[in-house]
Amino acid sequence: AQSVTQPDIHITVSEGASLELRCNYSYGATPYLFWYVQSPGQGLQLLLKYFSGDTLVQGIKGFEAEFKRSQSSFNLRKPSVHWSDAAEYFCAVGAGNNNDMRFGAGTRLTVKP
Amino acid sequence: NAGVTQTPKFRVLKTGQSMTLLCAQDMNHEYMYWYRQDPGMGLRLIHYSVGEGTTAKGEVPDGYNVSRLKKQNFLLGLESAAPSQTSVYFCASSSRGRLVHEQYFGPGTRLTVT
Repeated sequence: AQSVTQPDIHITVSEGASLELRCNYSYGATPYLFWYVQSPGQGLQLLLKYFSGDTLVQGIKGFEAEFKRSQSSFNLRKPSVHWSDAAEYFCAVGAGNNNDMRFGAGTRLTVKP
Repeated sequence: NAGVTQTPKFRVLKTGQSMTLLCAQDMNHEYMYWYRQDPGMGLRLIHYSVGEGTTAKGEVPDGYNVSRLKKQNFLLGLESAAPSQTSVYFCASSSRGRLVHEQYFGPGTRLTVT
């Protein structure tokens, strides 16, 4: 089965600084990759997804992610972080006819003023 | 358009009690899922359904049962709650198709078992 690793449990950045959240996946075939964001007390919201094609994908709220097959990575980036970006971020890999999705453990983002 | 809703939002149970969590979606999605979220472990799939009247086990199914009698509803049951089932439970749904589709999540149910 597929699996996802998010190496960073918690990241703190200053408002206005750039952000990169790491995600590594394990899957034998072409992966379907997702980034979700979870604000405190809320459900998960999709930021962006990659199925095929251009390896740099744009999402909502100014986020982007780059798929690198050679590194089995799908890192999430934002050039300038806003205080409202403080949340938990989950990377996920999907596979199979039943839409089997495996999530990483999450990275909690704190934004300093 | 409500999307995915969950009832209740919070619940406290004593060990051995039973309860049912209700998930409803209004997007006419074929697939529905129940996850649990625990600190440091992300979301883990409990059970899922690929259509009305069908259910299947996920990663962590023990201690839970599910039913999908109507396409728009997916129920998660705990027959005899244990403290290890203290968690936040999320329901999700997705459409069926050739590609893996994004899942839409409900707001979650926080369950505490004492």
